[in-house]
Amino acid sequence: EVQLVESGGGLVQPGGSLRLSCAASGFIISDYWIQWVRQAPGKGLVWVSGINADGSDTRYGDFVKGRFTISRDNSKNTAYLQLNSLRADDTAVYYCARDFLYRGWGRGTLVTVSS
Amino acid sequence: DIWVTQSPDSLAVSLGERATINCKSSQSVLSSANNKNFLGWYQQKPGQPPKLLIYWASTRESGVPDRFSGSGSGTDFTLTIRSLQAEDVAVYYCQQYYSVPYTFGQGTKLEIK
Repeated sequence: EVQLVESGGGLVQPGGSLRLSCAASGFIISDYWIQWVRQAPGKGLVWVSGINADGSDTRYGDFVKGRFTISRDNSKNTAYLQLNSLRADDTAVYYCARDFLYRGWGRGTLVTVSS
Repeated sequence: DIWVTQSPDSLAVSLGERATINCKSSQSVLSSANNKNFLGWYQQKPGQPPKLLIYWASTRESGVPDRFSGSGSGTDFTLTIRSLQAEDVAVYYCQQYYSVPYTFGQGTKLEIK
């Protein structure tokens, strides 16, 4: 069964950092793009970042402005999203999705930025 | 950036009737390289992650019921649900993946009338 499991979310103070993980099972992650999408409470979907199969191509939303870094470790079948300089408006559920076409999503991990 | 706008914001349809959701992009998302429209449709039910329904604007994802269909090209797209079922109650999103940032529409909430 294809599965993506996000972890690493939690409560962090403004200006703090978190590293989110996206662990894949049931497929070889090195064959696929991985995308990160977030959803603030009660709001719509916002694309955050994407990384190609071998990690040579990374893309980011405009609002990231150098604060987030996407990476992957194919030997661990896991992708990551490093979140730095967090702000209150980064509070959201962060989802990872498989493939350039988003064919399979995890259940998300909640990031709450608050003092 | 390419802006994506959905209409309507919410929609109430009777069981068994047709539901139509529109999606408009501020620029064409049709690639001349492969003649594909870089647009997808997603369904999100309460408390669940999104689910891919349609990719390349009109290709139904495996396992998606055939009452769901996508159409359109260039800047104007439509998701049609033929014969609405109770389990189709959800928020529906379109997204362009033609150019970064890959923008989503604001979502359309579909309810039963």
